[in-house]
Amino acid sequence: TQLLEQSPQFLSIQEGENLTVYCNSSSVFSSLQWYRQEPGEGPVLLVTVVTGGEVKKLKRLTFQFGDARKDSSLHITAAQPGDTGLYLCAGASHRAGNNRKLIWGLGTSLAVNP
Amino acid sequence: DTGVSQDPRHKITKRGQNVTFRCDPISEHNRLYWYRQTLGQGPEFLTYFQNEAQLEKSRLLSDRFSAERPKGSFSTLEIQRTEQGDSAMYLCASSLRGTSYEQYFGPGTRLTVT
Repeated sequence: TQLLEQSPQFLSIQEGENLTVYCNSSSVFSSLQWYRQEPGEGPVLLVTVVTGGEVKKLKRLTFQFGDARKDSSLHITAAQPGDTGLYLCAGASHRAGNNRKLIWGLGTSLAVNP
Repeated sequence: DTGVSQDPRHKITKRGQNVTFRCDPISEHNRLYWYRQTLGQGPEFLTYFQNEAQLEKSRLLSDRFSAERPKGSFSTLEIQRTEQGDSAMYLCASSLRGTSYEQYFGPGTRLTVT
């Protein structure tokens, strides 16, 4: 069974602090997505990483895909209250015949306090 | 707005009643997914369509759950004889084949079974 483990599960920080969220697996993924979800809404796609070692930036958010494509990280610089939400990672299976659905992490619930 | 839409946004029903939810995907997307999500957790895969064909259904899904996508466009998810344990957010997502499995979510339908 493929699993994606996210850590930490909960994070409460002050505005202006930096943070990193991790997404780890023993499986190889052909691509990995990061989503943010606000209460009562569906997840919103932030970024897709495809190549091992790839780094993508989205304003204050930096996403990295591990060299072996088994793990990823999300770093937020100078967090703001608007960053509050549930951050989810999801990986597309590398194995042939199992490439139609995403494997989801359980999420990191982030609260940024003003 | 050309995103994924879901109807209704909220549904309160009594135990034992049947409910049906509708999802309208992004028009050119041929893949459609249904998920269930409980508070603070990641999405749990329920079922997946490619065009009108239902290609996969979670083994966790009981026989009380059924989904259709009759013309390869909108989809419905029906829950028969609802139970209190069915209370959750039901999410629909769509994707376009060959786009690194990026999924675009609707706002969800919040089901409360009393």
